[in-house]
Amino acid sequence: DGGITQSPKYLFRKEGQNVTLSCEQNLNHDAMYWYRQDPGQGLRLIYYSQIVNDFQKGDIAEGYSVSREKKESFPLTVTSAQKNPTAFYLCASSKRLGSYEQYFGPGTRLTVT
Amino acid sequence: AQKVTQAQTEISVVEKEDVTLDCVYETRDTTYYLFWYKQPPSGELVFLIRRNSFDEQNEISGRYSWNFQKSTSSFNFTITASQVVDSAVYFCALKEDNFNKFYFGSGTKLNVKP
Repeated sequence: DGGITQSPKYLFRKEGQNVTLSCEQNLNHDAMYWYRQDPGQGLRLIYYSQIVNDFQKGDIAEGYSVSREKKESFPLTVTSAQKNPTAFYLCASSKRLGSYEQYFGPGTRLTVT
Repeated sequence: AQKVTQAQTEISVVEKEDVTLDCVYETRDTTYYLFWYKQPPSGELVFLIRRNSFDEQNEISGRYSWNFQKSTSSFNFTITASQVVDSAVYFCALKEDNFNKFYFGSGTKLNVKP
């Protein structure tokens, strides 16, 4: 089955620690995205990548970093510089950047205390 | 300014009632796409529909229907004879043709009670 996997579903960290969220897709999509969702808010774009070894900042990139070493993988690191890291994080992919169809993973709920 | 506005934060209905979720968007592009997604408690966003700006024809899919009106910049979603399984957060989204990003509304939480 083709799709997007994110692991783990729930993640707990202490304040001041960096944490990396995994996102893998086997859809052969070029473009991948990371969104953050807070209660009562829509999805906000953190980073996106249109191709391997390329990525761009979204609207709320501060305190986050990404890498795109493989087409299938787009991990997101939440650094200690992110002031309010507790949120639900969704990864998505599309055939190419600008495609109007995005496919979403199941999400990772990160709690930092 | 918000590109996509979903003014209804939360709606509660009793099973079998009809319910309409409102979505108002803002864009200067002539070519754009509108979407509805469903987010059940599990968290994953489920794609429901896409409309492009040149197609104002309303669409019906089973108990779901969508009303797209460019004159009022609205793309409303109606669930007929709601069921408990319809309980979820529903997001409306906009993608302008000239830009790579999606704009999401803040979502409407629908509670369908038995």
